[in-house]
Amino acid sequence: DAKTTQPTSMDCAEGRAANLPCNHSTISGNEYVYWYRQIHSQGPQYIIHGLKNNETNEMASLIITEDRKSSTLILPHATLRDTAVYYCIARGNTGNQFYFGTGTSLTVIP
Amino acid sequence: NAGVTQTPKFQVLKTGQSMTLQCAQDMNHEYMSWYRQDPGMGLRLIHYSVGAGITDQGEVPNGYNVSRSTTEDFPLRLLSAAPSQTSVYFCASSRDTANYGYTFGSGTRLTVV
Repeated sequence: DAKTTQPTSMDCAEGRAANLPCNHSTISGNEYVYWYRQIHSQGPQYIIHGLKNNETNEMASLIITEDRKSSTLILPHATLRDTAVYYCIARGNTGNQFYFGTGTSLTVIP
Repeated sequence: NAGVTQTPKFQVLKTGQSMTLQCAQDMNHEYMSWYRQDPGMGLRLIHYSVGAGITDQGEVPNGYNVSRSTTEDFPLRLLSAAPSQTSVYFCASSRDTANYGYTFGSGTRLTVV
């Protein structure tokens, strides 16, 4: 699985879009990009994943660059409940386990 | 659906004691995993299973055993507890990790004294 690099922490004003970057420059062609988040003391929560096309669901959007070396998770209208640690993971679709790093601690400010 | 249920939620052990952390899911998921999370750190994979009767090691398997006799249950056994195993333990399951990702339990907070 490719290594991912994320900023340690970020702030975002409530109601604004939160853009969380992730670098995965060694990603291979069959590796997906997954995003999870962990709200304080709870189990991680799946957000979204994608291979090469941009993806959107009810929680967020995922933008993957054309060369697939980086991606951005977008929370369109951040709320205080979005304060959490966000994990970006690159993993092949034949693997069965996820390896989490330390993620980005996002703080949404009122 | 109850989702992924972990018991107990809290546990204190003495060094050298053994215990089993329970994990059960009612979603008929094939894939299950155990992670530990130490303060200020990300999650580290202990063991995982791709179906009943099949288990494999993750990043930090030493000191832990698992078994998967049924699809629903994936218990984690601490053979002889050590203070270094003080952590929060999360169990997770998935129908198809490529398309759905994992559903996590609420965790077991273990302290070894």
